[in-house]
Amino acid sequence: DAKTTQPPSMDCAEGRAANLPCNHSTISGNEYVYWYRQIHSQGPQYIIHGLKNNETNEMASLIITEDRKSSTLILPHATLRDTAVYYCIVRVDIPGTALIFGKGTTLSVSS
Amino acid sequence: SQTIHQWPATLVQPVGSPLSLECTVEGTSNPNLYWYRQAAGRGLQLLFYSVGIGQISSEVPQNLSASRPQDRQFILSSKKLLLSDSGFYLCAFYLTTTSGWEDEQFFGPGTRLTVL
Repeated sequence: DAKTTQPPSMDCAEGRAANLPCNHSTISGNEYVYWYRQIHSQGPQYIIHGLKNNETNEMASLIITEDRKSSTLILPHATLRDTAVYYCIVRVDIPGTALIFGKGTTLSVSS
Repeated sequence: SQTIHQWPATLVQPVGSPLSLECTVEGTSNPNLYWYRQAAGRGLQLLFYSVGIGQISSEVPQNLSASRPQDRQFILSSKKLLLSDSGFYLCAFYLTTTSGWEDEQFFGPGTRLTVL
């Protein structure tokens, strides 16, 4: 079973920031938080991951609370192409560990 | 560069027929390989993973099987398809960085299987 909880759906206006929350209250000290997204009819795409510090890359920012029990993925300027299912996953720090996907959050970006 | 291929892209098969889906990886050696399935309107389910040639771990008991005859080849098979086998099948591997750590699981384009 997935170890994360996400809202089933969210809406966002184009050009605005999309803030996607994730609860992982049972996360262990050696587990990373990963975010993937899946655009319709495609395979999941890696977005970002982190352990305890906030992370930023060209796609998004990841904010992890100090107690590591929750996190937020931020898409700073959402576009229509960001409409997708977003998955928050916790993964143990062991090479080769498979990802266990939950139901994710369906983000709908509208103009 | 590291890439992953899957074929066929789409497949329509009758119930009871056999199945063979192929996945190949380029640009890396000894990758960990994974098969996932996504049924219509549902999340991704891990089916099998392999850490090396001939080494297969099954996550869900079912009428599917997997094999790894070569280092960069992963095959998903069935002797007799069921209606419930319909879905989107995805193969994946971890991209390896210069440090050897695996941050990003990279997915293939998928095979959409319809069993009638």
